[in-house]
Amino acid sequence: GAGVSQSPSNKVTEKGKDVELRCDPISGHTALYWYRQSLGQGLEFLIYFQGNSAPDKSGLPSDRFSAERTGGSVSTLTIQRTQQEDSAVYLCASSPSGPRSYEQYFGPGTRLTVT
Amino acid sequence: QQQVKQSPQSLIVQKGGISIINCAYENTAFDYFPWYQQFPGKGPALLIAIRPDVSEKKEGRFTISFNKSAKQFSLHIMDSQPGDSATYFCAASKSDYKLSFGAGTTVTVRA
Repeated sequence: GAGVSQSPSNKVTEKGKDVELRCDPISGHTALYWYRQSLGQGLEFLIYFQGNSAPDKSGLPSDRFSAERTGGSVSTLTIQRTQQEDSAVYLCASSPSGPRSYEQYFGPGTRLTVT
Repeated sequence: QQQVKQSPQSLIVQKGGISIINCAYENTAFDYFPWYQQFPGKGPALLIAIRPDVSEKKEGRFTISFNKSAKQFSLHIMDSQPGDSATYFCAASKSDYKLSFGAGTTVTVRA
């Protein structure tokens, strides 16, 4: 079946602009995660949504970052007033419920470049 | 601070050889240890995973060895093929599901 999809695949923006990144999880998956992959920091957790529970935002690096998940499916990660250090690949993952709930399946990522 | 330490940073192996990547962790609350494979321009793909109640898990040419007392786990790639050339990440999570990743190992398989 279809995997996790993310859009856009690439985004170039000017410092100070806001950006929105979109994630479509695997159909039926209840949990959704955002991670960031950069040369300096490796792969790091940002935020986690599980069903209707309040999201775990403990990995967000600053209050310029926010995310929402509508209807338990699609998620949008928003970065306000982008800075050059925000340049990275933003990865979305989803996981099913039940005994395989630990298995996280990643999308192809959005490469964000802040100039 | 990195909760999972991975080594080596890179390795080169001949076709047919064995690739071994090692990871170590400190947090004894971790209870799930996956390995991911990533090709350039792609997202990480779940390769194999283990729980701490078993010492070894094998799937095809990929084997995870787990040493709970030493807080270490490793990935062995048997009969390495050029198509295995990729970056491999170990990771760990607790019941909160958040993955902590190692820094990655770039594997190059020479034909």
